[in-house]
Amino acid sequence: AQSVSQHNHHVILSEAASLELGCNYSYGGTVNLFWYVQYPGQHLQLLLKYFSGDPLVKGIKGFEAEFIKSKFSFNLRKPSVQWSDTAEYFCAVDINQGGKLIFGQGTELSVKP
Amino acid sequence: NAGVTQTPKFQVLKTGQSMTLQCAQDMNHEYMSWYRQDPGMGLRLIHYSVGAGITDQGEVPNGYNVSRSTTEDFPLRLLSAAPSQTSVYFCASSRTSGLSTQYFGPGTRLTVL
Repeated sequence: AQSVSQHNHHVILSEAASLELGCNYSYGGTVNLFWYVQYPGQHLQLLLKYFSGDPLVKGIKGFEAEFIKSKFSFNLRKPSVQWSDTAEYFCAVDINQGGKLIFGQGTELSVKP
Repeated sequence: NAGVTQTPKFQVLKTGQSMTLQCAQDMNHEYMSWYRQDPGMGLRLIHYSVGAGITDQGEVPNGYNVSRSTTEDFPLRLLSAAPSQTSVYFCASSRTSGLSTQYFGPGTRLTVL
């Protein structure tokens, strides 16, 4: 069965530190890729997405992600985190563009001021 | 636009009770879906619909029913609640099933005693 794996369950950083969250998926065909963020007590919001084209995609709030097809990866990055980035981050994959998202387990990010 | 709305926000049920979680969207989206979110497991797809009158099962459909009589509404019914259905439920919608971003509602936190 297809799956999505996020390597880090809980990441703790100080403000201004750089962030990279890993995401790998197990499927060899066409995929659409997403990163969603869930701030405490809120619903999921889209950070960025990849459908096709440039594998380096930029999202909101300074986040970016790189799709590396050969590694089945879609890692999320931010050069300098802020306290307000404290949230849970979910990687999601849409296999065969059918709309059925498969989510990773989530990574909880805590940023210390 | 209100986007995706869900009611109620919180619900406590006793084992064996039934209830319906409501979901509505005002964006004229064809595709709607229900996910449940459990700690350490990300979000898992329960049921989805590609248009009015068409529904299908996702990854974890047991114990849940859905119907889609209108484009706007996609209710989720729990037939006989069990403690294993204690979770946070999110409804999502997108313009189409593929190459579209899914927008999530605020969620319903359900506790089954």
